[in-house]
Amino acid sequence: GESVGLHLPTLSVQEGDNSIINCAYSNSASDYFIWYKQESGKGPQFIIDIRSNMDKRQGQRVTVLLNKTVKHLSLQIAATQPGDSAVYFCAENPNSGYALNFGKGTSLLVTP
Amino acid sequence: KAGVTQTPRYLIKTRGQQVTLSCSPISGHRSVSWYQQTPGQGLQFLFEYFSETQRNKGNFPGRFSGRQFSNSRSEMNVSTLELGDSALYLCASSLEGGRTEAFFGQGTRLTVV
Repeated sequence: GESVGLHLPTLSVQEGDNSIINCAYSNSASDYFIWYKQESGKGPQFIIDIRSNMDKRQGQRVTVLLNKTVKHLSLQIAATQPGDSAVYFCAENPNSGYALNFGKGTSLLVTP
Repeated sequence: KAGVTQTPRYLIKTRGQQVTLSCSPISGHRSVSWYQQTPGQGLQFLFEYFSETQRNKGNFPGRFSGRQFSNSRSEMNVSTLELGDSALYLCASSLEGGRTEAFFGQGTRLTVV
């Protein structure tokens, strides 16, 4: 079936470096995508979203890129900090419905 | 303003029992969604309610049910618990669901023994 998946289960970066977390999706009907951050013992926290009519969207230290041609989504975190250590999920909202399909998640570890 | 509140935070139940979990959304939010999170399956959508009506349901057996009250608070119920129901159950609220930003609670950790 169609699904949202992540390329890497874990990512280790040094403090101050930029991080890139990737996500592939297969549902061509998806038109809304979201990145969530989940810290241990907490629920997912909204980071940034993007609609399919956009290629790029920037937030505070984060940028989401959407490549509809290859059905690929990425989250870039600038100047990664220890507080960025968490599991990151991409999610899609297919067909403008009311459910989110989540990827498996990428664990980001920031080392000093 | 207060965030999404889920109660209880932790729960231990025996196989065959039933359980009810509660979710209080952010004030003014009318959409409440429920998700099950497990290490093997990740986050999976259970159902979504808006103004007391279920608008969407995920691929879970009928043992999983939910409801929403007029004040937008929601409950989910799992009957005849199985070991595989052990998971973190997350509730998310948003203004209208769909493409509106969803805020998650801290979840209820259910352990079935």
